[in-house]
Amino acid sequence: SQELEQSPQSLIVQEGKNLTINCTSSKTLYGLYWYKQKYGEGLIFLMMLQKGGEEKSHEKITAKLDEKKQQSSLHITASQPSHAGIYLCGADSSGGGADGLTFGKGTHLIIQP
Amino acid sequence: DVKVTQSSRYLVKRTGEKVFLECVQDMDHENMFWYRQDPGLGLRLIYFSYDVKMKEKGDIPEGYSVSREKKERFSLILESASTNQTSMYLCASRLHYEQYFGPGTRLTVT
Repeated sequence: SQELEQSPQSLIVQEGKNLTINCTSSKTLYGLYWYKQKYGEGLIFLMMLQKGGEEKSHEKITAKLDEKKQQSSLHITASQPSHAGIYLCGADSSGGGADGLTFGKGTHLIIQP
Repeated sequence: DVKVTQSSRYLVKRTGEKVFLECVQDMDHENMFWYRQDPGLGLRLIYFSYDVKMKEKGDIPEGYSVSREKKERFSLILESASTNQTSMYLCASRLHYEQYFGPGTRLTVT
């Protein structure tokens, strides 16, 4: 079965600083999803990457998938308090997501003013 | 906007009770999912469904069953709740590749 390892487990960053979260897969990824979760709430979709070397951006968040499709990184530029929460990467093992996703354990991000 | 709703945000049940967790989506999605989320274990897939009356086991189906009588509704059933089923339960639906999640139900079994 596919396993995803996220690092770091938690991160405390001063407001305005940049940060990176990593997600490493035990197998080649068909699709890699990034979600954000506010504490005690549901998940909000951020981005999905499929192709080796692909990079996507949304506002101040950029996600990349490496050429071998086994590692992804999420980079936040000039962090803000609204970026605080849990970031989760999810992997699609079936090539379409119809069988559900396997998730990493999450990275807790705290933004200090 | 896609909306996935779950019947309760918080639920407290006693050991041995039969528990129903309801999930409704309003976008005519075919695929629906139930996950549970636990500290240190992350999200794990319990059951999923491709269409009405279809169901597939996920990674941790033991102690759970599901029902999908209508396309928009996917129910998770705990036949006899146990304390180790205390968890956050998240429902999701999917059309193309993005899964849309509900707000979650925090279930406590005492």
